[in-house]
Amino acid sequence: EAAVTQSPRSKVAVTGGKVTLSCHQTNNHDYMYWYRQDTGHGLRLIHYSYVADSTEKGDIPDGYKASRPSQENFSLILELASLSQTAVYFCASSDRLGGDEQYFGPGTRLTVL
Amino acid sequence: GDSVTQTEGLVTVTEGLPVMLNCTYQTAYSDVAFFWYVQYLNEAPKLLLRSSTDNKRTEHQGFHATLHKSSSSFHLQKSSVQLSDSALYYCALSNMGYKLTFGTGTSLLVDP
Repeated sequence: EAAVTQSPRSKVAVTGGKVTLSCHQTNNHDYMYWYRQDTGHGLRLIHYSYVADSTEKGDIPDGYKASRPSQENFSLILELASLSQTAVYFCASSDRLGGDEQYFGPGTRLTVL
Repeated sequence: GDSVTQTEGLVTVTEGLPVMLNCTYQTAYSDVAFFWYVQYLNEAPKLLLRSSTDNKRTEHQGFHATLHKSSSSFHLQKSSVQLSDSALYYCALSNMGYKLTFGTGTSLLVDP
């Protein structure tokens, strides 16, 4: 079965600090995604990538950067964390050719104080 | 751009009764796939149903949905809900084969 892991699973950060969320997949998938989940907004796409060393902006990229150093790893970086970035963040991966199904990681709960 | 609308934030149903979760969409693309994802408490979202064929019923785990392009809808239904169906349900669409656009989600609460 597809496997996507995220670290850390939860994090408390201070306003203005730097936060890095990591994602690792063992599915051999080309596509990887970062979403944030907020009540009333659902899942919103922040950044995605279809190949190593390349990232694309999603629907809400402001305040976030992404890095894809290898096919297996995809990071989300908050250079200057803000209160409004408190949310649950999900990483996902999908097969380039297969189906459109996305496999999600367990999520990271980020609290910015 | 694409959009998915789920009008109900919370649906409460008594165990054993039927349920329908509404999903409508807007897209300018014709080559589009539609999904329902389910997220149980403190778990990751996972795929429940997928369809890209107009007027074809798709079923999984007792749930079913039919894509109706004429009304831009992809409602999720179940004839008899169970307590274990309590979860957050997302409707989504994908164009170009990879980018998903999600609705805001509907929480289904099944009462005993």
